[in-house]
Amino acid sequence: QVQLRESGPGLVKPSGTLSLTCTVSGGSISRDYWSWIRQPPEKGLEWIGYVYHSGTTNHNPSLKSRVTISVDTSKNQFSLKLSYVTTADTAVYYCARASGNKWFAFDSWGQGALVSVSS
Amino acid sequence: DIQMTQSHSTLSASVGDRVTITCRASQSISSWLAWYQQKPGKAPKLLIYKTSTLESGVPSRFSGSGSGTEFHLTISSLQPDDFATYYCQQYNTYSWTFGQGTKVEIK
Repeated sequence: QVQLRESGPGLVKPSGTLSLTCTVSGGSISRDYWSWIRQPPEKGLEWIGYVYHSGTTNHNPSLKSRVTISVDTSKNQFSLKLSYVTTADTAVYYCARASGNKWFAFDSWGQGALVSVSS
Repeated sequence: DIQMTQSHSTLSASVGDRVTITCRASQSISSWLAWYQQKPGKAPKLLIYKTSTLESGVPSRFSGSGSGTEFHLTISSLQPDDFATYYCQQYNTYSWTFGQGTKVEIK
């Protein structure tokens, strides 16, 4: 059973860069598709972007060019950087696996990391 | 971009009720549709993928149907543990979108 865990600072200043890492255990990151998803307080889920073990990425166009997602297969980790953050980026950030065997549904999730943007 | 719209933000129901949640896509997504259940303070949990395939361990009172642009999640007999928020999600060419969520609350 694969497990995911988010880690990173819980507080970021406006105009700064949000950085999170997801550590995958119980399975290899060199298969399937790995995503970041966020949920502002009392709101719905928003897909941020994904990375494949080859380094191929895609992201939500609504976030324009602020998103960078990378993978480190040697550490079984993938990471998110979101630049020029504002208070609107305050959210619980989840990492998740999209399984090719399950038609790209997210079948494994981290527990979530709350990141607040505040001065 | 493909937009997903869930018909109701909130549904009020009683234990034992049959509940159906509807999700519509802004263009055809074939069967690339999944459903999730989320409880407060927890990560979402996959219930159904490929429109109607039940994830392992999910009770059989949950079922999914639809194709193209209209999809449904049905709970045949609502149980106390089912009061939660439900999200649909589509996949298309390495891009994913969620519906805005439907909260099933106690009537």
